Amino acid sequence: QKEVEQNSGPLSVPEGAIASLNCTYSDRVSQSFFWYRQYSGKSPELIMSIYSNGDKEDGRFTAQLNKASQYVSLLIRDSQPSDSATYLCAVKERTEYGNKLVFGAGTILRVKS
Amino acid sequence: EPEVTQTPSHQVTQMGQEVILRCVPISNHLYFYWYRQILGQKVEFLVSFYNNEISEKSEIFDDQFSVERPDGSNFTLKIRSTKLEDSAMYFCASNPGLGEKLFFGSGTQLSVL
Repeated sequence: QKEVEQNSGPLSVPEGAIASLNCTYSDRVSQSFFWYRQYSGKSPELIMSIYSNGDKEDGRFTAQLNKASQYVSLLIRDSQPSDSATYLCAVKERTEYGNKLVFGAGTILRVKS
Repeated sequence: EPEVTQTPSHQVTQMGQEVILRCVPISNHLYFYWYRQILGQKVEFLVSFYNNEISEKSEIFDDQFSVERPDGSNFTLKIRSTKLEDSAMYFCASNPGLGEKLFFGSGTQLSVL
């Protein structure tokens, strides 16, 4: 069973600070990694995808991937109260027919104004 | 942006009853999925569907579950005899091809009493 592990939090940061969210995964051959944001009672919303080692930036978000350490992270710069949500790390399991995603349990982020 | 539509948003049923959850995936998408999320727990993969047949299913997806694409637009999940532990948020998702972004619907909250 492939596993994706995240610290459940909550992670509390003041408005304007950098929030750092971490994730580890068990399947060494995984190639595709995703960060989703989920507000309470809502569906997951894709924020970032990353496939290669290193950093990928999109606006205030930076995803970091280290396949050797089986580690993915998400940095949120200039955190806003609207960023308060649960952040889900997801790893694509290698199957022949589809995009089966294995999700972590999520990290609750609270941004305090 | 196009959306995956799910109905109903809430479904309450008695234990042992059959329920059908409905989804309209995005029109040009080829791959369809059902995920579920029990309150406070991980988003879990149930089943993937491609070319009018199940391509993969999880161990959760036992004989009580079935999926169907009865026409060119709808994608349904049927639970034949609901149990208390089936209470969860059920998300439909679709994507146009392998490796493409997964679009989630807004979910159906199923409560089994």
